[in-house]
Order: sequence, then C-alpha cells, then structure tokens
Amino acid sequence: NAGVTQTPKFRVLKTGQSMTLLCAQDMNHEYMYWYRQDPGMGLRLIHYSVGEGTTAKGEVPDGYNVSRLKKQNFLLGLESAAPSQTSVYFCASSEERFSYNEQFFGPGTRLTVL
Amino acid sequence: AQTVTQSQPEMSVQEAETVTLSCTYDTSESDYYLFWYKQPPSRQMILVIRQEAYKQQNATENRFSVNFQKAAKSFSLKISDSQLGDAAMYFCAYGNNNDMRFGAGTRLTVKP
Repeated sequence: NAGVTQTPKFRVLKTGQSMTLLCAQDMNHEYMYWYRQDPGMGLRLIHYSVGEGTTAKGEVPDGYNVSRLKKQNFLLGLESAAPSQTSVYFCASSEERFSYNEQFFGPGTRLTVL
Repeated sequence: AQTVTQSQPEMSVQEAETVTLSCTYDTSESDYYLFWYKQPPSRQMILVIRQEAYKQQNATENRFSVNFQKAAKSFSLKISDSQLGDAAMYFCAYGNNNDMRFGAGTRLTVKP
C-alpha cells in the first residue's frame, strides 16, 4: 500500500516549456487535490477533483490544467511554464470531500522554472 | 474569501515542556472543519488533529489538544510533553464544502 505517490520528485524547466505531474493513489479515494507550496506561505489549492472525469478550480488555478481520466490518477499540467510557477507541488487524496476528512499527501514535487 | 492566520512564524520549546501554537481564521460559513497538519523536514504532510466546527468539545489526540473558540474564530494547538520528534512546521487549515485554506505555518523547534 503505497498511499499517494508523485512523479517526478524534481524537475527543472525553461520558461515556455510544458510538463505534466502525475499523482497516483491506491486507497480508492474519490477526492484528489493539487496544491502548491511557496516559501513563507501555506499550501494553496490549485485544482481538485470530486471523482473520475470531474475537476474544479481552487484558489490559484491560472496557468494550470488538470485531468482525472482514471479514479486513481490526477494529472497536473503546465502548458507554458513561467518562473512564477517555481514551487513545491503536493498532491493529496481523501475519502470524502476535504472539509470532512483527513487528506493523505504525497511527498511533493520540487519544480524550478528558469 | 476564507483566510487563516498564524501569527507565530517560529516557536521554541524545551523537551518535555508544553507549547501552544496560535491560529485565527475568518469565515462567514457556519459549517466547516479545522485542522492542524505537521510537516517535518521530509516534507510529508501529516494530520495531527481535526475539529468539527459544530462540536463544542475540544478535540484531543494523545499529547495534542486544541482550544477551539468559535466566536473568536481561534483554533490553537497545545503540544504537551514535547518530544524531539515534534520538531516540524505546523500548519493550521480551514476546510468547508468547496475550499481549503492553510496558514503560513509555524516552525517549531524542540530543544533537548
């Protein structure tokens, strides 16, 4: 039982490049989330999903797209990376909507955009 | 929009002593949940304790307890008998039906 895993763990991009971050969970959770964490700030919600095929915007969605084609996977895409997107990205999942239940977090992906 | 404020960027406690971390929040909702998450140097976020806003009784989990003051919108975390393994960043968080907000965090140092 791996819990929540994230791929890759580290990545360096040049401005304008694109990439996809993969999140996978093996707990059969309905809800999945993408956050970013910047120095001196708490986690900020980018997008979330309440089930396979559904996504919704969080607090800071601009510049990101997401997809939930399979229940166990939640992908975060950057179409044209910008230095402002340099951050640590966390994926999480929960059995119920985030207000009710503990979220289980992945180990994070450190992304640097030059 | 909901906001979560942690006014103590850093705190320090002696091993075996008690420390309290502060958190205030702002919301117009009546139904919500509050959380304290711990982030050790490994970066793994771990739930410490959770409080349901409609419950007046303060939540406790072993050495961890909260002081929830709904009218004052205050949600502090008390760590008793502090251990070296408690050293970490602690984040207060607020969640409602479609939103989740985290405070900026408090870095806790435990001195042996």
